[in-house]
Amino acid sequence: GENVEQHPSTLSVQEGDSAVIKCTYSDSASNYFPWYKQELGKRPQLIIDIRSNVGEKKDQRIAVTLNKTAKHFSLHITETQPEDSAVYFCAAPRFSGGGADGLTFGKGTHLIIQP
Amino acid sequence: KAGVTQTPRYLIKTRGQQVTLSCSPISGHRSVSWYQQTPGQGLQFLFEYFSETQRNKGNFPGRFSGRQFSNSRSEMNVSTLELGDSALYLCASSKGTGNTGELFFGEGSRLTVL
Repeated sequence: GENVEQHPSTLSVQEGDSAVIKCTYSDSASNYFPWYKQELGKRPQLIIDIRSNVGEKKDQRIAVTLNKTAKHFSLHITETQPEDSAVYFCAAPRFSGGGADGLTFGKGTHLIIQP
Repeated sequence: KAGVTQTPRYLIKTRGQQVTLSCSPISGHRSVSWYQQTPGQGLQFLFEYFSETQRNKGNFPGRFSGRQFSNSRSEMNVSTLELGDSALYLCASSKGTGNTGELFFGEGSRLTVL
């Protein structure tokens, strides 16, 4: 099955600085890589995703890069703001004998924005 | 458009009991996935249902089961509860299968096993 490793587990940055979270995956067949943000006490919500036919995708202050050869993808947040404080999860498709089913999530990164 | 609704939101059970959790997906979504969230293990895939059929199951014992009804609502059941089953159980719905597009999560059912 798919194995997703996420680093770091905790990241503290000064407000206005950039934050980078990295994930690696094991199955070369993976073709969809979403990032979810979970604020304290709330549900996870998709913030950005990338498919394997592109190397980078941006949405305002958030960007995701994908390196298929190295099997890793990263979330980049620029000009961090207090509301960026949350737990961020990366994910990749699970694979079984019948094909891709469900998602395997990384264990999460707790991003702390220091004022 | 109503979001994903999970009931109950909180429940306390004792070891050996069983529990049933319910999930109503967003209207028009045919896929419902279930995940267990714990502080140490993050989000772990339990199973996914699509058009009333279980597509796959994660690495959980047979005590964990589920089903999906014709209106796409889903239930999951845990029998013979153990202390380690204490967790937040999240369900998520999606238009297509749960590994190719956005998952819309419910607020979860927090289960405490005493």
